[in-house]
Order: sequence, then structure tokens, then C-alpha cells
Amino acid sequence: DAMVIQNPRYQVTQFGKPVTLSCSQTLNHNVMYWYQQKSSQAPKLLFHYYDKDFNNEADTPDNFQSRRPNTSFCFLDIRSPGLGDAAMYLCATSRGLAQDTQYFGPGTRLTVL
Amino acid sequence: RKEVEQDPGPFNVPEGATVAFNCTYSNSASQSFFWYRQDCRKEPKLLMSVYSSGNEDGRFTAQLNRASQYISLLIRDSKLSDSATYLCVVNTNAGKSTFGDGTTLTVKP
Repeated sequence: DAMVIQNPRYQVTQFGKPVTLSCSQTLNHNVMYWYQQKSSQAPKLLFHYYDKDFNNEADTPDNFQSRRPNTSFCFLDIRSPGLGDAAMYLCATSRGLAQDTQYFGPGTRLTVL
Repeated sequence: RKEVEQDPGPFNVPEGATVAFNCTYSNSASQSFFWYRQDCRKEPKLLMSVYSSGNEDGRFTAQLNRASQYISLLIRDSKLSDSATYLCVVNTNAGKSTFGDGTTLTVKP
């Protein structure tokens, strides 16, 4: 059974049109992460939530926002997508920080036209 | 300089070969270390955690050298199914998780 679910799997949006990506988990993990992965590059951490505490990476653009309304769900909002935001967006969860394994969802591939 | 650097690869090896990947990290506050495997157009999946004493899981052996800030992964008796990209991951206690760019392995018959 899928433990980290991402919807949609493929998202096409227009330049400048806001888009929201969704992640849900059945693991009851405290931590949820959002990563951006471009072709042939490493996943890049955008931000994470430890429970309700939001932690933004210093170099994450303001264009990217996140919401975590409850333990199970976390959303990534891209306010004004640019062509450079086309990428795979990966959601991951872990029980705690540092030592705990991260479990990744299948990702959402975002195309910006 | 990147915080986590891996061998650029790609590595192309015959079945049965032994192959080793290296990874260095620059943040001395790093606490936890992992190897993940990522297949083409799939999500990363944990291969193994890396402990200070070194650890082995079947054909895979991981080593950590904190003094040199260096992690390695050794794969023995390579199988075709080992073909993938191997990602070195370094975590701090604050939740910062940094991935290396990955090393691509292709195992050929």
C-alpha cells in the first residue's frame, strides 16, 4: 500500500498561473519535506515541517510556499511558476529528523508552458 | 564547493564486478548519513544508513570516516538490477538534508 501519495503525478500549468501540489501520508510521521529535482541533478530541499513548525531553506525562492493543515497532508504552492520551475517535485516523510529514514512519494512532474 | 560531492561517474561495469562509490561532505555538523538508490524517473529509496562502525547488508557495504568527512559504498558481485543512480545523503540534527548529485551505475551482461 502506498505510504506517501502525491497528486497529481503530472501537472501542466501556464507561465505565471498558480499551482498547488499535494502530498499525503499514512505513516503518521512528524516530518514532511518538499524537494525539487531537475533532470540529472540531486533533489534539492525546499522546506520541511516538523509537526506544525515550518523550516524554510535559505535559498528557497519566495515563489514557493507550503501549508500543512494536519499531520497527513502537506501542500506545495507555486505562486507564479516560471519556466525554470519545471521539475519533479518530491514529497518525503520521516518520523524524526537526522537519523530517521525519509520515505519518498512518487513525485509530481511539473511542466510550465 | 558543493556541500556533498560524489564521484561524477558514470560507472559501467560487467556483471559480477565490484564497484565502489565515494562521497565527501563539508558540513562538520552533519550527523547522519545514508545511501539512497534512484531508478530512472522514480523516487529515491533508502538503500542503507551509514554508521561510524561501518555496516554491511548482503552485497553492499557502507563506510563512514568522520575525520575525513568521507562516505563510501561498495557493491560486490554486481547484478543487472543494481543499475541505478546512487545518491549520498547527509543530514544535520536541524533537519537539513543534503543530497549529492548522484553516481550512475550501469551493470552490463
